[in-house]
Amino acid sequence: GAVVSQHPSRVICKSGTSVKIECRSLDFQATTMFWYRQFPKQSLMLMATSNEGSKATYEQGVEKDKFLINHASLTLSTLTVTSAHPEDSSFYICSAWAEETQYFGPGTRLLVL
Amino acid sequence: GENVEQHPSTLSVQEGDSAVIKCTYSDSASNYFPWYKQELGKGPQLIIDIRSNVGEKKDQRIAVTLNKTAKHFSLHITETQPEDSAVYFCAASTQAGTALIFGKGTTLSVSS
Repeated sequence: GAVVSQHPSRVICKSGTSVKIECRSLDFQATTMFWYRQFPKQSLMLMATSNEGSKATYEQGVEKDKFLINHASLTLSTLTVTSAHPEDSSFYICSAWAEETQYFGPGTRLLVL
Repeated sequence: GENVEQHPSTLSVQEGDSAVIKCTYSDSASNYFPWYKQELGKGPQLIIDIRSNVGEKKDQRIAVTLNKTAKHFSLHITETQPEDSAVYFCAASTQAGTALIFGKGTTLSVSS
């Protein structure tokens, strides 16, 4: 199947700093990618839909100015958590469709101290 | 919007037994129903999926059934093994290319 990668796999940062997470489709092109957030022992919650060449679409309750999404190419979407706070600590996962199947990245564990 | 309910939240079985996880969805326009397995600290891995034009699909020890009239679908794992222990999520979407809506997950524990 298709492969989606994420970098970094884990990151620790201080409160107030910004963190960038990359999501890449390795062997296919993706005009649309999705960003999910998962808190411990909970399900995946859709945060936003990343669209190549246009603005991302955010789910209700997700602050677009806090979670900046850039989909600059057909294989790369980035999520930047701005002015991170401890409550932003979570597991962030991206995904993309290929061959009529949605594939997920390995996730990025963010810990904000 | 779509809402997906998943039961049970936890399931413990003995090795070799079968495990069944059930999901219901609310949007009759949904037509794609994947199942993912997630191990601790990892991203979800697709294990099987089914589309609305099919009632059942099987892949070795794993099978999925779909009842569109009742709007529910189920995951069946036979001859369970300890390595099947993980969290399983069902999901639904209305068409390829759109976001998936997930159930709350089922923690499956297989004891040897």
